[in-house]
Amino acid sequence: EADIYQTPRYLVIGTGKKITLECSQTMGHDKMYWYQQDPGMELHLIHYSYGVNSTEKGDLSSESTVSRIRTEHFPLTLESARPSHTSQYLCASSEGLAGTDYNEQFFGPGTRLTVL
Amino acid sequence: KNQVEQSPQSLIILEGKNCTLQCNYTVSPFSNLRWYKQDTGRGPVSLTIMTFSENTKSNGRYTATLDADTKQSSLHITASQLSDSASYICVVSDRGSTLGRLYFGRGTQLTVWP
Repeated sequence: EADIYQTPRYLVIGTGKKITLECSQTMGHDKMYWYQQDPGMELHLIHYSYGVNSTEKGDLSSESTVSRIRTEHFPLTLESARPSHTSQYLCASSEGLAGTDYNEQFFGPGTRLTVL
Repeated sequence: KNQVEQSPQSLIILEGKNCTLQCNYTVSPFSNLRWYKQDTGRGPVSLTIMTFSENTKSNGRYTATLDADTKQSSLHITASQLSDSASYICVVSDRGSTLGRLYFGRGTQLTVWP
């Protein structure tokens, strides 16, 4: 079982609210990632980080922002939630760059977000 | 365009039966291919990883194959159990970028009935 945690697991909020999805890992991994996943669809990378104070946008454009002040913590923030943000958000981490050599991504359980 | 296609989209089998899931990809240059299992409401968990030179790899009742020439992979599940009910995702990595970019399939939703 991977030591990567996400809170909350489920969140239902109204339009316009500011929300922060928490992600933390205790494996000491430098690389962390946020994915968005809709039912029956593939995962889309929305943010990633190489390490502390490093954040980059992923392949899928997202109105969310991220920060990496501590190695173990990689929160995602939506300043003003909209119904189009309804989705599952998965956080992951890896020791090296995911996809290179045998570096495996370890995923958290996800946050299911519903914006009314 | 780099893509990963999985089939079937969904599959229902009886407990104890075998099944095979397919993954076709066009990702180039190829680095490696992973099969993940994703239980409902959980994050994906890696089952196997295969590199260019590997043809077959087993992990318990799961056996993955790779044909790098035809760019096809399969995941065979033997003697299925109820706990095998999940989405199985094929993920291919390329060597073309410093990120080691990952390409995800949409998954095959497997349901095992008693």
